[in-house]
Amino acid sequence: GENVEQHPSTLSVQEGDSAVIKCTYSDSASNYFPWYKQELGKRPQLIIDIRSNVGEKKDQRIAVTLNKTAKHFSLHITETQPEDSAVYFCAAHPTGNQFYFGTGTSLTVIP
Amino acid sequence: DAEITQSPRHKITETGRQVTLACHQTWNHNNMFWYRQDLGHGLRLIHYSYGVQDTNKGEVSDGYSVSRSNTEDLPLTLESAASSQTSVYFCASSGAGTGELFFGEGSRLTVL
Repeated sequence: GENVEQHPSTLSVQEGDSAVIKCTYSDSASNYFPWYKQELGKRPQLIIDIRSNVGEKKDQRIAVTLNKTAKHFSLHITETQPEDSAVYFCAAHPTGNQFYFGTGTSLTVIP
Repeated sequence: DAEITQSPRHKITETGRQVTLACHQTWNHNNMFWYRQDLGHGLRLIHYSYGVQDTNKGEVSDGYSVSRSNTEDLPLTLESAASSQTSVYFCASSGAGTGELFFGEGSRLTVL
């Protein structure tokens, strides 16, 4: 089955700096890669996703890049703000199959 | 608006008791999933279903069961609760193919 690895497990950045979280996957059949943000005590919520026919996608301060050849994808958050502090999960999804999650990155933005 | 809801949101029970966590979605999604979340372990898949009468075991299915008698509901049953099953449980659903996965609010279960 699919195996998703996520790094780093914790990340601290100064407000205004950029944050990058990286994930790798093993199954070339995976073709959908969502990113979830989970605030303390809340449910994971989808913040951005990318499909395998696209190399990059941006939504305001967040962007995701995908390298299918190397089987890795990354989340980039620019101009970080304290409200970006949360746990972020990546996932890989082969069509018609389950979702495979990384183990999460706890991001702290220091004011 | 379509949504996915879980109940109860919080439950305390005793070792050995049977517990059922409810999950109801109004997205009309075929795919439904149950995860547990513990510190240091991220989201671990317990059981999942791709449609009515279909159920499958995930990576941590021992001690849990599910049934899918309609599209909207996937209840999770702990046959004989154990302290190791103290956790936060999330239900999720997604549409056919490569669809977005939506999570419920979570159910916090404490087994004493």
